[in-house]
Amino acid sequence: GAGVSQSPSNKVTEKGKDVELRCDPISGHTALYWYRQSLGQGLEFLIYFQGNSAPDKSGLPSDRFSAERTGGSVSTLTIQRTQQEDSAVYLCASSQSGQYEQFFGPGTRLTVL
Amino acid sequence: SQKIEQNSEALNIQEGKTATLTCNYTNYSPAYLQWYRQDPGRGPVFLLLIRENEKEKRKERLKVTFDTTLKQSLFHITASQPADSATYLCALDIQAGTALIFGKGTTLSVSS
Repeated sequence: GAGVSQSPSNKVTEKGKDVELRCDPISGHTALYWYRQSLGQGLEFLIYFQGNSAPDKSGLPSDRFSAERTGGSVSTLTIQRTQQEDSAVYLCASSQSGQYEQFFGPGTRLTVL
Repeated sequence: SQKIEQNSEALNIQEGKTATLTCNYTNYSPAYLQWYRQDPGRGPVFLLLIRENEKEKRKERLKVTFDTTLKQSLFHITASQPADSATYLCALDIQAGTALIFGKGTTLSVSS
């Protein structure tokens, strides 16, 4: 079956602009995660959705970052007023209820000029 | 502070040898520890999961150990092949099924 997909694969934007990154998880997966991977850094947790529960937003670095998950499926990560330090690869992952293996998408490479 | 360290950024070995990668952590009590493989330009791919009450887990040429006293996991690839060249990430699962905490990874290069 299809894996996790993300779009766009690359995004170049100017400082101060807003961007939206999309994630389509594997069908039937109840958990969805967003991570960020900066050059030379490990994956950094951003936000986690589990079913209909309130999301765990504890990893969001500032109030410029937000995410939604509509209908328990597709998720959008929004970064407002982008800064150069937001440049990174944004990775989405999903997992089945009761399973701990996470399935990752290919990521969106964001470059803020 | 809480920290995860993977022993080195890069490891170079010859084909056929055993690669051993180390993951150390402090100030965590993980329920699970996972290892992922990441190739350039791609997302991580799950390899193995080991629980806190398990000492060792094997899958084909892969072996993972987990020592909660030492706060350390070792990841072994036996009979390594050039196709094993990739970055290997250690990840802790503090509460089962929640977000993972990743190390920075070790980039393994296997030369023929």
